[in-house]
Amino acid sequence: HLVESGGALVQPGKSLRLSCSASGFRFDDFAMSWVRQVPGKGLEWISGITWNGANRGYADSVQGRFTIARDNDQNSLFLQMDSLRVEDTAIYFCTKDTSVGLRGGMDVWGQGTTVIVSS
Amino acid sequence: IVMTQSPLSLPVTPGEPASISCKSSQSLVHSSGYNCLDWYLQKPGQSPQLLIYLGSTRAAGVPERFSGSGSGTDFTLKISRVEADDVGIYYCMQALETPRTFGQGTKVEIK
Repeated sequence: HLVESGGALVQPGKSLRLSCSASGFRFDDFAMSWVRQVPGKGLEWISGITWNGANRGYADSVQGRFTIARDNDQNSLFLQMDSLRVEDTAIYFCTKDTSVGLRGGMDVWGQGTTVIVSS
Repeated sequence: IVMTQSPLSLPVTPGEPASISCKSSQSLVHSSGYNCLDWYLQKPGQSPQLLIYLGSTRAAGVPERFSGSGSGTDFTLKISRVEADDVGIYYCMQALETPRTFGQGTKVEIK
């Protein structure tokens, strides 16, 4: 079970931090990711982190602006979003991988949290 | 890695088979021998759900009528007998390397 929070209406150039609270599984046994979707459009994987946080990956569209992190003691995943752009407007999903690394499928998805970047 | 799905729209008849193609711009075979290719279904108004991972492994709870096949750069998702509940948008995604990338999606609708 994954529950995202932190979505909001924010101005371009500002920052926002998304959180994802996990339950029902051993959090530190699995990699985690963030996937976003503009309503009516396709899916975009934007960031992932391995089980221990040692390896992280980003989409080119957010590289250098977004930072993924996790707190295994708190069963939580985070996405720090800086220098937000209008094109970052989307629903952001937190996902759980089927393995410790980022090569398996994403078998648990949250309901999503909405980020709107607008002046 | 660029993922290309076809068709983008697929009208189906309940009880009939259906298939979706997914092609990658480079091989998705990992050094372990697995194909790092997943299939997802997003039903209307819902979050996506995992159907198939590592090319051909059905996720927990996924009906046997769904199967994944292929290797290298060419993959196929097959539904042996379509049911009304199978409508939605199907996505393939490569998990060989980051950034992971999705196909454009295939919208499956009942005729």
